Amino acid sequence: TQLLEQSPQFLSIQEGENLTVYCNSSSVFSSLQWYRQEPGEGPVLLVTVVTGGEVKKLKRLTFQFGDARKDSSLHITAAQPGDTGLYLCADNTGNQFYFGTGTSLTVIP
Amino acid sequence: NAGVTQTPKFQVLKTGQSMTLQCAQDMNHEYMSWYRQDPGMGLRLIHYSVGAGITDQGEVPNGYNVSRSTTEDFPLRLLSAAPSQTSVYFCASSAHLGAQYFGPGTRLLVL
Repeated sequence: TQLLEQSPQFLSIQEGENLTVYCNSSSVFSSLQWYRQEPGEGPVLLVTVVTGGEVKKLKRLTFQFGDARKDSSLHITAAQPGDTGLYLCADNTGNQFYFGTGTSLTVIP
Repeated sequence: NAGVTQTPKFQVLKTGQSMTLQCAQDMNHEYMSWYRQDPGMGLRLIHYSVGAGITDQGEVPNGYNVSRSTTEDFPLRLLSAAPSQTSVYFCASSAHLGAQYFGPGTRLLVL
């Protein structure tokens, strides 16, 4: 079983602030996916990172994959209320996907 | 394309009742899976299938059965509902273990 730890568990910030959330494991990730889940809906994939040290950008979101592929971070610049949601990281080992418990982000207008 | 569809959206059961949660996808994905989501527990894998006719257990399979007779459909059966199965259930599909596409979820309350 792959255990993914996400921090912080909850985050409440003002619109325009920057933030970073983290996903860590004691095991090496095969690849790492980041999802965002809005209330009452299913998760939606944001990005997949595969290579150690990889950095991907999606508008105001920057995703980093650690060199040892045991950790990843998601940085949001100038957060907006539309960024509110639950951010989940996931890894697949064998044929199974394992999810972290998520970071619940609230952006206050 | 409808993507991944789930029915029903909401369900209330009494302890001991059985029911089937339906899941269908129209993307010709070979991989399908069922998760439950509970507060503070994240998404936990119940069962998954890598193709028609093939199913396997995930992290929390007890009390649930699945079958995969077609590529499109992957129903989840609760054999004898228990209050501990109160949760939100998500079905997902993916191609080659890539990006997972999730359905809108089924909210189940077992009294």
